[in-house]
Amino acid sequence: DSGVTQTPKHLITATGQRVTLRCSPRSGDLSVYWYQQSLDQGLQFLIQYYNGEERAKGNILERFSAQQFPDLHSELNLSSLELGDSALYFCASSSSPGQTYEQYFGPGTRLTVT
Amino acid sequence: GENVEQHPSTLSVQEGDSAVIKCTYSDSASNYFPWYKQELGKGPQLIIDIRSNVGEKKDQRIAVTLNKTAKHFSLHITETQPEDSAVYFCATLSTSYGKLTFGQGTILTVHP
Repeated sequence: DSGVTQTPKHLITATGQRVTLRCSPRSGDLSVYWYQQSLDQGLQFLIQYYNGEERAKGNILERFSAQQFPDLHSELNLSSLELGDSALYFCASSSSPGQTYEQYFGPGTRLTVT
Repeated sequence: GENVEQHPSTLSVQEGDSAVIKCTYSDSASNYFPWYKQELGKGPQLIIDIRSNVGEKKDQRIAVTLNKTAKHFSLHITETQPEDSAVYFCATLSTSYGKLTFGQGTILTVHP
């Protein structure tokens, strides 16, 4: 158990809908990262937050957004869902960029868009 | 951007044999190289990592070697066991950014 929690574990929704994925980092970790894992694209970085501020952006679609709250939990919002958004979404956390590089992953949320 | 190539895509070994997975990367600014193990239905688990100022690191049956000049690094698993069966991912990180860039993964199967 990495100490990173994600909810829900599974999510099934229809095209055009909006969903919110939630992540709680390990105790003491300030940085949260979101990754998408699909069969054709592999593991892809989406976005990073550090202590509430956006730090880096990867291949994140404009339909997707994220935020990190004062208690350090993070949410990834996916809107206008398409079939191709079906994937595993992982959250990872680390203590502080520049002080430690290790990222610990949560168990993921499996999103199925029908 | 960074590109990470991982080989082989599948690897089948007998219990007790060694397994080697190799990765090459393109960004010379990469300075951190972790390996993750992912079991079915679970998130990637960090199993070993190496930083650019070190050439080799070992942790029990697992070792990682890094050749910065050639831009490649490898995972070595000795005395493999059936519970080592999983998908293994290499990754690189440039500390200018926090993001990890992953290889495509290797499905390791250890036959009893």
